[in-house]
Amino acid sequence: EIVLTQSPATLSLSPGERATLSCTASQSISSYVAWYQQKIGQAPRLLIFDASNRATGIPHRFSGSGSGTDFTLTISSLEPEDFAVYYCQQRGDWPLTFGGGTKVEI
Amino acid sequence: EAQLVESGGGLVQPGGSLRLSCTASGFIFSEYEMNWVRQAPGKGLEWVSSISSHGKTIYYIDSVKGRFTISRDNAKKSLYLQMSSLRAEDTALYYCARGLIRPPVEYMDVWGKGTTVTVSS
Repeated sequence: EIVLTQSPATLSLSPGERATLSCTASQSISSYVAWYQQKIGQAPRLLIFDASNRATGIPHRFSGSGSGTDFTLTISSLEPEDFAVYYCQQRGDWPLTFGGGTKVEI
Repeated sequence: EAQLVESGGGLVQPGGSLRLSCTASGFIFSEYEMNWVRQAPGKGLEWVSSISSHGKTIYYIDSVKGRFTISRDNAKKSLYLQMSSLRAEDTALYYCARGLIRPPVEYMDVWGKGTTVTVSS
């Protein structure tokens, strides 16, 4: 099973600041990573797929990068609605796995 | 607008069974791979099972193999998860989630609100 480790667990920032979230895979998974956002009481929302492709309707302030074992989600300038938990997910091998999440808080 | 609505959750004793359902609307259900993903209280996301658009290819996480069965009825636009031999660690909010329309289909772009399963005596 491919283990995804997300860091930091919590990121404390202010609106307008840049957020950089990390996801590290236990083995190489090419560019096969997605990022999701989950707000309290809501279902997850797909942001990025295959490392760097924005999903439909996702604002340009969200961007993804990386390949192999190291992946990054960047939010260029935090909006109030961006404070949430972010998960990475891999499709490099079955079972599909998610990282433990990074909480972005004010 | 694509929507997924889960149902069938509830309180069940350890060793019991439950059948979850997910009804789709607003898209051509038969064209999409479908998934179940769960989230234990206060915890992260855990993928449970996937089924291909035609129902012939199925995957499970090891912890549910032999206990859970995923299935679908494309005519009814419905996805199911038959759960048996339930354990306390199966307690979670269970989401139904749609795969992307074209490869890579293993990512999930539409999610339901979830249905809660509680396994307790």
